[in-house]
Amino acid sequence: QVQLQESGPGLVKPSDALTLTCSVSGFSISIDDWWGWIRQPPGKGLEWIGFIHDSTNTFYSPSLSSRVTMSLDTSKNQFFLKVNSVTAVDTAVYYCARYDRVTAIFDIWGPGTMVTVSS
Amino acid sequence: QSALTQPPSASGSPGQSVTISCTGTSSDVGGYNYVSWYQQHPGKAPKFLIYEVTKRPSGVPDRFSGSKSGNTASLTVSGLQAEDEADYYCSSYAGNDNPHLIFGGGTKLTVL
Repeated sequence: QVQLQESGPGLVKPSDALTLTCSVSGFSISIDDWWGWIRQPPGKGLEWIGFIHDSTNTFYSPSLSSRVTMSLDTSKNQFFLKVNSVTAVDTAVYYCARYDRVTAIFDIWGPGTMVTVSS
Repeated sequence: QSALTQPPSASGSPGQSVTISCTGTSSDVGGYNYVSWYQQHPGKAPKFLIYEVTKRPSGVPDRFSGSKSGNTASLTVSGLQAEDEADYYCSSYAGNDNPHLIFGGGTKLTVL
């Protein structure tokens, strides 16, 4: 059974960088897979952040592309999200998920991790 | 890149049917048959219900159905049950050269 689990700091200071890790179990990440990040500010809707497919193919939301980097470590079965220069608007629950490229859906999600940006 | 437009709320009594709309543009909903629907209960991660406009994964009741006309997709929940009360989000693929996804703003479905 494939499971995803996000981890990272629950609190980040404004202007700092936020780094989140998604650990995958029950499945070996390969360069053929696509993975993604989605976030949800408190009381608001879902926002797609981006996809990663192997270490060189990344696709980001235009609204976040200048501050976001995704990476992958197949040896650790993990992938990562880094958001630079965070502000209060980056406060959200962050989800990692597996992306099915054929059907364009996120079919398996982690439980999410809450990140608060505050001094 | 604007969010797809969904009504903020919808409601129905047990046993009734409710339809939730999701309006985009010819660059997303209207341009691709890759519209999906997700259900999210409070405090939980979203779960996908419908993919490629009309298809249901195994385990999703056939009370949930999807359709599309032009730039608007719809999710219909028939035979409403108490456990259907949740937030529903549509999503559409957009962009061949630069793949990306757009979510709708979400619809809170209340079972009266």
